[in-house]
Amino acid sequence: DTGVSQDPRHKITKRGQNVTFRCDPISEHNRLYWYRQTLGQGPEFLTYFQNEAQLEKSRLLSDRFSAERPKGSFSTLEIQRTEQGDSAMYLCASSLGTYTDTQYFGPGTRLTVL
Amino acid sequence: ELKVEQNPLFLSMQEGKNYTIYCNYSTTSDRLYWYRQDPGKSLESLFVLLSNGAVKQEGRLMASLDTKARLSTLHITAAVHDLSATYFCAVEYGGSQGNLIFGKGTKLSVKP
Repeated sequence: DTGVSQDPRHKITKRGQNVTFRCDPISEHNRLYWYRQTLGQGPEFLTYFQNEAQLEKSRLLSDRFSAERPKGSFSTLEIQRTEQGDSAMYLCASSLGTYTDTQYFGPGTRLTVL
Repeated sequence: ELKVEQNPLFLSMQEGKNYTIYCNYSTTSDRLYWYRQDPGKSLESLFVLLSNGAVKQEGRLMASLDTKARLSTLHITAAVHDLSATYFCAVEYGGSQGNLIFGKGTKLSVKP
C-alpha cells in the first residue's frame, strides 16, 4: 500500500496526558499537512511542511501542539496536556507540490480525551 | 478571511434523479477541490479545478468552476446508492498551496 498511513488509528487518553501521532506520507511527496476534523464539520488546517521546513501554522495550533518532520519524510504531531476539546479526528495529507497539487489524505487518528 | 459555504448540507435523493451541490467562497482563489468522505473513512480526492470555466467529469459526477462568481457546482446525474457519502469542497487560501479551507460538507443519501 503506497498511500498515506497514520498511527495509531485510535487513541483514548485522559485529560492532561500527552499524545503523539505519526504520519508517513506517500514516498515521493515533499509536502505534508495536518488537519483536524470534528463531527459534522470539514477538516480544519493545522500546519504544513515543505520537506522538513514547517511553512504555515494555523492559529488553531496552540502552544500545546507541536509538529515535526525531522528528515523530510514522516511527521509527528504532539499534543501536550490534552483537553476534552482536543477530541477529534486528526488527518494527515501529502502532496507532490506541483501546480495541481492534490492533497492525498491518510485514514486519520481518532483521539478521544476523557 | 476566506469562507467556504456549501449547500445543501443534507440531501436525500432517489436513485435515478439529478441534483446539484453548490459551493460558494468569499475571496479570490486559484484552486478548488472536491473530496468525498464515506462514514468513518478518510477523504478521497474527486476533482481539482484550476481555472475559470473548468469542467471535469468522472462517471455520474461533474464539477465546474466559475471564479468570477466564486462558485463551484458538483452535479450528480442519475444517482445510484453507491454515491451516498459526504462531499466537501475546499478552496486554497492565499495562494500558499498549503492551507485548504473546507466547507462543512454535503451529506448525500441516495435511496432506492
